[in-house]
Amino acid sequence: EPEVTQTPSHQVTQMGQEVILRCVPISNHLYFYWYRQILGQKVEFLVSFYNNEISEKSEIFDDQFSVERPDGSNFTLKIRSTKLEDSAMYFCASTQGSNQPQHFGDGTRLSIL
Amino acid sequence: GEDVEQSLFLSVREGDSSVINCTYTDSSSTYLYWYKQEPGAGLQLLTYIFSNMDMKQDQRLTVLLNKKDKHLSLRIADTQTGDSAIYFCAENLIGAGSYQLTFGKGTKLSVIP
Repeated sequence: EPEVTQTPSHQVTQMGQEVILRCVPISNHLYFYWYRQILGQKVEFLVSFYNNEISEKSEIFDDQFSVERPDGSNFTLKIRSTKLEDSAMYFCASTQGSNQPQHFGDGTRLSIL
Repeated sequence: GEDVEQSLFLSVREGDSSVINCTYTDSSSTYLYWYKQEPGAGLQLLTYIFSNMDMKQDQRLTVLLNKKDKHLSLRIADTQTGDSAIYFCAENLIGAGSYQLTFGKGTKLSVIP
């Protein structure tokens, strides 16, 4: 069964550094999402992306965050200058249609030191 | 806005049925999902139901939806130790231009051998 893949599985970065989290959505999917889960807390929506542009973003998704689909397969989340509070598990998801079930990757655990 | 509430813990004996409950507040047309998260892993889509349905069954899983009370439940028949995980209820509004999933805090299911 096709799946969403995320790399790396664990990223350790110094505070203030830039980090790029990578995702390969399911190949025929058109809608892409990033969520994050701070340890012990809810999964929170960050951003949705469709037709090469952001369709919706949450309050968490401030100017330090950006997303990109640089080619036909990858979907990336960049954090420009990481803060300690950015430490979390980041999940990528994709779906074929906007009201179809979202399929999640296994996540990237981001640890900011 | 929408909010999704779940109890945090559930403990059952192997072979018994587990019932995980969820309440949601938004009365708009919506999809409701159950995701499973095993330790250190991603979010696995288990099942979903549209708000015009009352029940959905898929092998050992039964989803019941009480629209009047905005109450959703997931029943796992013949619970196995491999079912030990965190179960997340999630809601997706449709027709409101929003694609994000709103998650509950998750119910940690512990299966006692």
